[in-house]
Parts: sequence; C-alpha cells; structure tokens
Amino acid sequence: EAGVAQSPRYKIIEKRQSVAFWCNPISGHATLYWYQQILGQGPKLLIQFQNNGVVDDSQLPKDRFSAERLKGVDSTLKIQPAKLEDSAVYLCASSLNPPFSGANVLTFGAGSRLTVL
Amino acid sequence: GQQVMQIPQYQHVQEGEDFTTYCNSSTTLSNIQWYKQRPGGHPVFLIQLVKSGEVKKQKRLTFQFGEAKKNSSLHITATQTTDVGTYFCAGQKRSYGQNFVFGPGTRLSVLP
Repeated sequence: EAGVAQSPRYKIIEKRQSVAFWCNPISGHATLYWYQQILGQGPKLLIQFQNNGVVDDSQLPKDRFSAERLKGVDSTLKIQPAKLEDSAVYLCASSLNPPFSGANVLTFGAGSRLTVL
Repeated sequence: GQQVMQIPQYQHVQEGEDFTTYCNSSTTLSNIQWYKQRPGGHPVFLIQLVKSGEVKKQKRLTFQFGEAKKNSSLHITATQTTDVGTYFCAGQKRSYGQNFVFGPGTRLSVLP
C-alpha cells in the first residue's frame, strides 16, 4: 500500500513570509494528523481531522497556522506569517481507526522540513 | 496537562550490549505506543501496549507496561548497528482528547 505523501520535502523562507504544506494520507484512512517536530524533540500534535472535520486543534497557533481537509482526503497546513521558532519538521500522519477505538496506529509521512531565516 | 517523559535522553552503547529506555507519564494512561525514528527519517510504529503489566516481545525488543499504567520500558538485547535511532513512547489518555502525547525520545547510538 502507498504511504503518506507529503510535499515539499524542504522549504526555506524568511520570517513573515507564508508557506503551505500538502499531505495525502493512505487511502481509506479517515483520521489525519499534523505534527510539529522541533529538532531534538518529540512530535507535537497541531491538529487532528476525522474525515473533513476538525477533532482537536487545541495546540494549533491559530493566529498564524491554519489547516484544512476538504473532501476528507488531502490536507494542507499553512503558516502565515512565519516566525523563526516555526523552524521544524512538519509531519503528517494518518490512521485507519479513530483515536477512541484504542487501535489507532499512526503512519507518518516523510515530513516537510521548514527553515525560517 | 498530560506530560510524558523519557530517560535517558541519549545512550551510547557498544554493539552487542543491551539498551533500555524508560517512559513515565504524569497521569494514568489508557495505552501506550512505541515508535522508532531513524536519523533523517520519520517515526515508525513498533508496538502498542494496553493492559496493566503487559509484556510484549519482538525478536530482540521487549516492551513492558507498568502495573499502574503510568510507565513503560523498551529493552533491546544485544544491540546491532541497525538499532540506531530515536525511540519515542506515546501515551494516550482518553480524557485528554484521546490523542497520543509523545515523549521527547531517547537517542540510541551503537558503536560497531
């Protein structure tokens, strides 16, 4: 089965610019997650979608970050304007089962590495 | 909020030596997962533990869930260079929105 696809793999921007990341989950996976992984740290959840609805965005900095999952498949994560502290790898993950099932294994994409100068 | 800690932060071992990483949660967990991230790669699921005191084995890897469901450990017997990477535990507590909270990881280096 094809994995979770993400693009771009690398992006370098200056602070105050905007950037967008794209994710295509595994076919049939209803749950999609965006994680931020700062160098040397564990992944931190930004937002979770169940189909095309937002389930948890409590840790998303909504003044600059936005995400959508139209049609319940692909998703985009946008940052506008970017700050230096946004430099990180943005990981998209999907799971077949929802979190409350107790059996939601996360399959991660390769990630999009963002450098903000 | 829920916090998940791991020790040690780094571990350097000689190939063939054993390795253990410990994961501790500030709250009782519903279940816990372990992931491995190779250098430059992305996290890959290893295993999930659900029951109190549960022990699972995958070849040279042994995973344990504490009796109180607040801690877990991963033990690797006779490490190999292919074991290099960062090992993350991720705890799930349903009353916290059901999502997994990842620990900071333990980075393992194996010297040949």
